[in-house]
Amino acid sequence: KAGVTQTPRYLIKTRGQQVTLSCSPISGHRSVSWYQQTPGQGLQFLFEYFSETQRNKGNFPGRFSGRQFSNSRSEMNVSTLELGDSALYLCASKVAATDTQYFGPGTRLTVL
Amino acid sequence: AQSVTQPDIHITVSEGASLELRCNYSYGATPYLFWYVQSPGQGLQLLLKYFSGDTLVQGIKGFEAEFKRSQSSFNLRKPSVHWSDAAEYFCAVGSNDYKLSFGAGTTVTVRA
Repeated sequence: KAGVTQTPRYLIKTRGQQVTLSCSPISGHRSVSWYQQTPGQGLQFLFEYFSETQRNKGNFPGRFSGRQFSNSRSEMNVSTLELGDSALYLCASKVAATDTQYFGPGTRLTVL
Repeated sequence: AQSVTQPDIHITVSEGASLELRCNYSYGATPYLFWYVQSPGQGLQLLLKYFSGDTLVQGIKGFEAEFKRSQSSFNLRKPSVHWSDAAEYFCAVGSNDYKLSFGAGTTVTVRA
């Protein structure tokens, strides 16, 4: 079974731009979560979706948003990029609420 | 709210020696506990997990972890490390609010 895939793997943007990242979960997984990883803050939870509904959101500004489609694929969007948004963005999928999360390889976003 | 503490930022161990990584968690209910490993530039790979039952859990790559409720700990061990075990290790606690909370990570260096 294929793992979690994320596209693109690398992205360079400039301040003020917006960006959309994509995540395809493992087949049969209906829950998708997003995490931001930075050297200073570590791994921080962004949001989680299940059956197209956001069930939880981390402590991030409204510039960070996401959505999930009927095929469970998910996108996250960051508007008005800031230098501090440079990070590795990880997507994870799981079958049910208390199941194990399986992570994708991440998208490395660099904001110049 | 749940939280995870990994007291050791960096550990250096000789190849063939034993390894123990410490993890302490804070969570009001029965926790779901995980250990993940991350190689440079990669996503997170699940090593093992604890949901309930036997407090000593076996994982991949020869790792094991022991859940001790009285100490709020979930330490990771490996009897004999290999050079390929050099990576960053993350302990995480899951909860019923659909997210994982991660520790800051422990970087393991293996010397020949």
